Amino acid sequence: AQSVTQPDIHITVSEGASLELRCNYSYGATPYLFWYVQSPGQGLQLLLKYFSGDTLVQGIKGFEAEFKRSQSSFNLRKPSVHWSDAAEYFCAVGARAAGNKLTFGGGTRVLVKP
Amino acid sequence: GAVVSQHPSWVICKSGTSVKIECRSLDFQATTMFWYRQFPKQSLMLMATSNEGSKATYEQGVEKDKFLINHASLTLSTLTVTSAHPEDSSFYICSAKTSGRYTGELFFGEGSRLTVL
Repeated sequence: AQSVTQPDIHITVSEGASLELRCNYSYGATPYLFWYVQSPGQGLQLLLKYFSGDTLVQGIKGFEAEFKRSQSSFNLRKPSVHWSDAAEYFCAVGARAAGNKLTFGGGTRVLVKP
Repeated sequence: GAVVSQHPSWVICKSGTSVKIECRSLDFQATTMFWYRQFPKQSLMLMATSNEGSKATYEQGVEKDKFLINHASLTLSTLTVTSAHPEDSSFYICSAKTSGRYTGELFFGEGSRLTVL
């Protein structure tokens, strides 16, 4: 079975500072990995995804993530956060072998200080 | 890009009534749709996988008779919460997978917030 852990429930960061959100997964084969962002009361927006190839993935809104197989991690980063980045971020793992179902981590809520 | 629309976006109902939530893929065909439930400040929990023309596959612990899922066409799946109770109040989100070559990506609806009084 696949699982995802996001160790940080909350992160507070100053506007303009860098941001890193941690994600660790458990899956027997190479997974498909995703980061989604959710604003309050809204659905999910895909930030980026990793299927194969280059382990450093660029996404929308200036986000990037790096797949590290040896660490079973897929951490999300942004060099300089904006106030509009305050939201809930979910890491997810999926695989064709699992019927394309996505398993989500618990989420990390990001607060941005002015 | 692919768009998934849910309706209604929010609904309030009395305890004991049934509520239907629709999930539509607007510009693509979706052979598979997934229904998630999200409690306040929590993550998304997969409830069931809906395949067009066949019975839904429910995750362990999800009551089939409580949450009826129908996927009658390639663009529409519905979730009916039967005899709703306050504990069914939640945010329900659907996602859809395109029927073409698997890209791995799922497209999510905006979610439907159900409040049962």
